[in-house]
Amino acid sequence: EDKVVQSPLSLVVHEGDTVTLNCSYEVTNFRSLLWYKQEKKAPTFLFMLTSSGIEKKSGRLSSILDKKELFSILNITATQTGDSAVYLCAVEVDSNYQLIWGAGTKLIIKP
Amino acid sequence: GAVVSQHPSRVICKSGTSVKIECRSLDFQATTMFWYRQFPKQSLMLMATSNEGSKATYEQGVEKDKFLINHASLTLSTLTVTSAHPEDSSFYICSARDGGTYKNIQYFGAGTRLSVL
Repeated sequence: EDKVVQSPLSLVVHEGDTVTLNCSYEVTNFRSLLWYKQEKKAPTFLFMLTSSGIEKKSGRLSSILDKKELFSILNITATQTGDSAVYLCAVEVDSNYQLIWGAGTKLIIKP
Repeated sequence: GAVVSQHPSRVICKSGTSVKIECRSLDFQATTMFWYRQFPKQSLMLMATSNEGSKATYEQGVEKDKFLINHASLTLSTLTVTSAHPEDSSFYICSARDGGTYKNIQYFGAGTRLSVL
């Protein structure tokens, strides 16, 4: 059965800290891995990763995929209170474009 | 980036009424749209996958006669919750997948919070 596992489930840090969120997966017919940020409403897209070892960056956020070890990390440097959210990892599989979701990491940034 | 518009954002209705939720892709054509349901503090639960011009594929346990999905055009899908009951109260989210310009990414609408009294 396809599955995506995120860790930690929750994390509390202080502003300015750097955090690393983990996502491991076991799926058949891997197509891509996506990271989303969810605050009070629906998820907003952060990154899509398809190739191993190529870092994607957007401001203080970056992400990388290891297809051999079947995991991805999302890094946030110099965290701000506005980074507080649930970060969701999802894997798209080839068969039907559905996303297999992780449970999410709830990140709280304290001022 | 791609924009997906979902309306309404909030609905309060009486038990037994039907509620229609619209999901539109504003700047791309979405051959595939998805409908999710999310309970508090839980992850997204896929309800159905909808391809333009064909019948939706429902996930196990989702009643297709209760949750009617129509994907009549490449930019619009609708979810109708028929004869809503309090247990249907939830956060419903649509997403649209663009296989073209925005490269196979699912973009999400803002969600609809349904409260059935």
